[in-house]
Amino acid sequence: GESVGLHLPTLSVQEGDNSIINCAYSNSASDYFIWYKQESGKGPQFIIDIRSNMDKRQGQRVTVLLNKTVKHLSLQIAATQPGDSAVYFCAENDEGADGLTFGKGTHLIIQP
Amino acid sequence: AAGVIQSPRHLIKEKRETATLKCYPIPRHDTVYWYQQGPGQDPQFLISFYEKMQSDKGSIPDRFSAQQFSDYHSELNMSSLELGDSALYFCASSSDTQRETQYFGPGTRLLVL
Repeated sequence: GESVGLHLPTLSVQEGDNSIINCAYSNSASDYFIWYKQESGKGPQFIIDIRSNMDKRQGQRVTVLLNKTVKHLSLQIAATQPGDSAVYFCAENDEGADGLTFGKGTHLIIQP
Repeated sequence: AAGVIQSPRHLIKEKRETATLKCYPIPRHDTVYWYQQGPGQDPQFLISFYEKMQSDKGSIPDRFSAQQFSDYHSELNMSSLELGDSALYFCASSSDTQRETQYFGPGTRLLVL
């Protein structure tokens, strides 16, 4: 079946650098995408979302880019901090469906 | 701000026992979703409810059932538990005006022995 997946399972970056986490999706019917941050033992925390009629959306220190042509989603985190260490999931929603389809998660490690 | 509340946070059961997980959505949220997350896995959608009616169904086993009550809280009932049911169970909620944006609770960690 169609699913959302991530390119890299682990990403290690230096504190203060920018991080880019990538996500590929295959369901062309997806019209809404979300990035979640999940810390160990906690529930997924909403970071930022984007609809399919947009290609970029910015939040506080985060930017999501959507390339519908190649079905690619990315999360950019500026000036990463130790508190950014977590597993990051992209998720997509197919119009008409309730459940989110999650990717496999990228573990972001911040090095001092 | 108030968040999704789940109880219990931890639960240990024996094989073939039953378990009931509870979820209290964010105030004024009318849609509730249940997800299962195995160790090192991504969350898998189980089932959702809108205005006390089942709205969508994912990969929920027949041994599991759920419902949403008049106060919008939801319960996930799990019977004939198997070792493979050990996982984190998350509830999420969303509002009618922004239904796609799901906010997750802290989860219930279920261990089946």
